[in-house]
Amino acid sequence: DAEITQSPRHKITETGRQVTLACHQTWNHNNMFWYRQDLGHGLRLIHYSYGVQDTNKGEVSDGYSVSRSNTEDLPLTLESAASSQTSVYFCASSDGNPNLYEQYFGPGTRLTVT
Amino acid sequence: AQSVAQPEDQVNVAEGNPLTVKCTYSVSGNPYLFWYVQYPNRGLQFLLKYITGDNLVKGSYGFEAEFNKSQTSFHLKKPSALVSDSALYFCAVRDGNSGYALNFGKGTSLLVTP
Repeated sequence: DAEITQSPRHKITETGRQVTLACHQTWNHNNMFWYRQDLGHGLRLIHYSYGVQDTNKGEVSDGYSVSRSNTEDLPLTLESAASSQTSVYFCASSDGNPNLYEQYFGPGTRLTVT
Repeated sequence: AQSVAQPEDQVNVAEGNPLTVKCTYSVSGNPYLFWYVQYPNRGLQFLLKYITGDNLVKGSYGFEAEFNKSQTSFHLKKPSALVSDSALYFCAVRDGNSGYALNFGKGTSLLVTP
């Protein structure tokens, strides 16, 4: 069965370190998204991609970057981790079919920045 | 800009009673509306969507939602709640003019008591 996976599931890092969170999907979806989930804020869009070599900034992109070198993967990099980036991060993907806009989510990565 | 509002942080309902989780939206074009559910320590799962057609949309696990254009609402409903329905519910919207990204509400925690 097709799926979307994230790794690691849990990560503790120190302020100032660079961190990369992996996202891999086997749906063959063109669209991929990164969100962070924080209490009181729901899900906020960080970055998204509509295909290989395409990346776009979302609502809360400062301090984050993504790259899309193939269809399956969209890694999220925190350039210099800050305590404000402690959060749960979700990756999602969706089909480009106009009738299939729903997104499919990975299990999440809980990141703690100390 | 597109947005959704979920006016209730928490909804409590007794098992067997009907439940409603409220969502209102704001878009400049035609709305594409979604409901997702999140169980503890899990990613979001797609429940149902409205793109066009009948205002009453049926989805997974016996849930349905009613699209009301005049009230700009898309409330989630279920005729008879189960304890296992207890979870966090998110409404999301996509503006027909704005690409594939979704804007999520802050979420409503549903607690169904025996």
